[in-house]
Amino acid sequence: DTEVTQTPKHLVMGMTNKKSLKCEQHMGHRAMYWYKQKAKKPPELMFVYSYEKLSINESVPSRFSPECPNSSLLNLHLHALQPEDSALYLCASSPKLRATEVTHNYGYTFGSGTRLTVV
Amino acid sequence: AQKITQTQPGMFVQEKEAVTLDCTYDTSDQSYGLFWYKQPSSGEMIFLIYQGSYDEQNATEGRYSLNFQKARKSANLVISASQLGDSAMYFCAMREGLEYGNKLVFGAGTILRVKS
Repeated sequence: DTEVTQTPKHLVMGMTNKKSLKCEQHMGHRAMYWYKQKAKKPPELMFVYSYEKLSINESVPSRFSPECPNSSLLNLHLHALQPEDSALYLCASSPKLRATEVTHNYGYTFGSGTRLTVV
Repeated sequence: AQKITQTQPGMFVQEKEAVTLDCTYDTSDQSYGLFWYKQPSSGEMIFLIYQGSYDEQNATEGRYSLNFQKARKSANLVISASQLGDSAMYFCAMREGLEYGNKLVFGAGTILRVKS
């Protein structure tokens, strides 16, 4: 299995709602990431989990709350979002790397994303 | 300061021609990795090719090759024999260091349009 699966694919939520995004991978990767991407812009890193521990938080507002319950699963809990939080949310995972090692599939694997609209 | 610079907001190429998408990077790390991703309008990020900082040979994957010039800190993507399905946004990205879970930083992207 070489996929990262994200659910739901589309989500519309009100500013007072609580919702969660889910990301799952079964490639044995122990680093997982949340990125936010606005239209025609590059993805921006939000959070990194390494061995199920939060290792990087890029000063993300507390209305976004990540969770990594096990090595295959990553959640992003959403609460009291603003319309400007509408974006494509991408999850990714990565294998352990050595710079001197060359393999044919050596990238961070991304899910297909959740398109979030906050109304 | 920009870590990854893609200076071409948009490019056009004729079908079956080759095209080069530019990418320069800035790092003081000796160990780093450079990636190219393709993002069609559907939104998925598709991994294309990887070049490690210690790799002496340019990476190739099918129609994709990476022109790696370490001294100039450039990692240009070359797509040979362009196809209509190559029309998409292309991102160059870099991972610095060898620590597990290092972040991947993206350039601004280049929109490629293939003309028939």
